[in-house]
Formats: sequence, C-alpha cells, structure tokens
Amino acid sequence: ELKVEQNPLFLSMQEGKNYTIYCNYSTTSDRLYWYRQDPGKSLESLFVLLSNGAVKQEGRLMASLDTKARLSTLHITAAVHDLSATYFCAVLNYGGSQGNLIFGKGTKLSVKP
Amino acid sequence: GAGVSQSPSNKVTEKGKDVELRCDPISGHTALYWYRQSLGQGLEFLIYFQGNSAPDKSGLPSDRFSAERTGGSVSTLTIQRTQQEDSAVYLCASRNTPGNTIYFGEGSWLTVV
Repeated sequence: ELKVEQNPLFLSMQEGKNYTIYCNYSTTSDRLYWYRQDPGKSLESLFVLLSNGAVKQEGRLMASLDTKARLSTLHITAAVHDLSATYFCAVLNYGGSQGNLIFGKGTKLSVKP
Repeated sequence: GAGVSQSPSNKVTEKGKDVELRCDPISGHTALYWYRQSLGQGLEFLIYFQGNSAPDKSGLPSDRFSAERTGGSVSTLTIQRTQQEDSAVYLCASRNTPGNTIYFGEGSWLTVV
C-alpha cells in the first residue's frame, strides 16, 4: 500500500528566510505532484515531477525528485507572506487502482513579517 | 468548459437525506477522481474512473456511497442516508491520460445537519 509522508506538517517562517518541505513515499512511482491550497479554496497545481533528478522552479518555489530515495523536496527561497498556504505532495499510485493519486497530510505554511 | 466544474458548490442537507454531487471534467479528460477533505484535514481518496469504469472502489467509506460516470464524461457521487460525519468538501479532479497534470474543481461543500 502506497503511503505518502510530509514533514513538517506546520511551518512558521519569517519573510526572507529559506526552508524545505519534505515528501517521502513508500513504493515505486514515477509521478509526483505538488499542490497549493489556500483556505476555503481548491487545489492549485504547482509542479509535476516525472523522472529521477527532475527539478522544476517557479518563482520562489523549487521542487525536486529523487525516485531512488523516494523523496521529493519543495524548497522555498526568501519567503514572502503571499506564500502562506497549505502545500500538499501527492504520488501517483500504480497499484490496485492503476492510477489514483495518494496525498500527504499537507504542510501548513505561515510566513510572518 | 475551461476547468473542472462541480455542483452544487454548497449543500446543506438534513441527516438521513440522500445527496447527489456532480462533476463535469475538462473536455476530453479520460481519468476522473473523487476525493473528500474534512475540515483542516488532508485529502481522502474515494474513487477513480478511467473512462466509464472504476478500477478501484475501495476508497468509498461505506455502502452508502456510490459513484457513476456515463459517456466518459460527467460523474455523479451519491451519498444515501447522509450522516453528520459525511460533512466535508468533496473534490473532483480530472486528467487526460497519458497526460500528467491533474486538475481539481472548486469542490462541493456538504454540511449535514
């Protein structure tokens, strides 16, 4: 059974600081997703990582994937208040469901001045 | 339409009543997913459709829950004899296999009183 673990679950940062969110998963997969969710809103797709060593960047966010270690990271550079949200990673499950997406519990990020 | 469309956006129902939630995926998307998110929680996988078939229904929390998809497009999630614990946001998502990005709708907020 595919399990996805994120840490930390809560993160309070000061503006201008850097931090990394980690996403570990338990079985082989070659697709990893990062989503952002604002309070009361749906999920916004940030990144889709498809292969070992994949790295994608958008603004102050950079995501990477190591399929051998079954680890993805979401790095935040010089955080700003607008980045405050909950960030989810999700892994495509090729097991019994042949393609469903299993989510981590989410990391609630709060960026303070 | 341009995105995944869900209706109703909000539904308040009395305990014991049946509800139907509708999802209209992005045109041409063959994969469709239903998730449930309780207040402040992560995403719980319910069911996944590839075309009209559902390879795995094991995520449905009880036999009061059912889902169908007709014509490879619109899907309906039905909850019979609703209970208070069914109160949550029900999110639908779609993907164009073998595409990569999975797009979420705005969700249907269900409150059982």
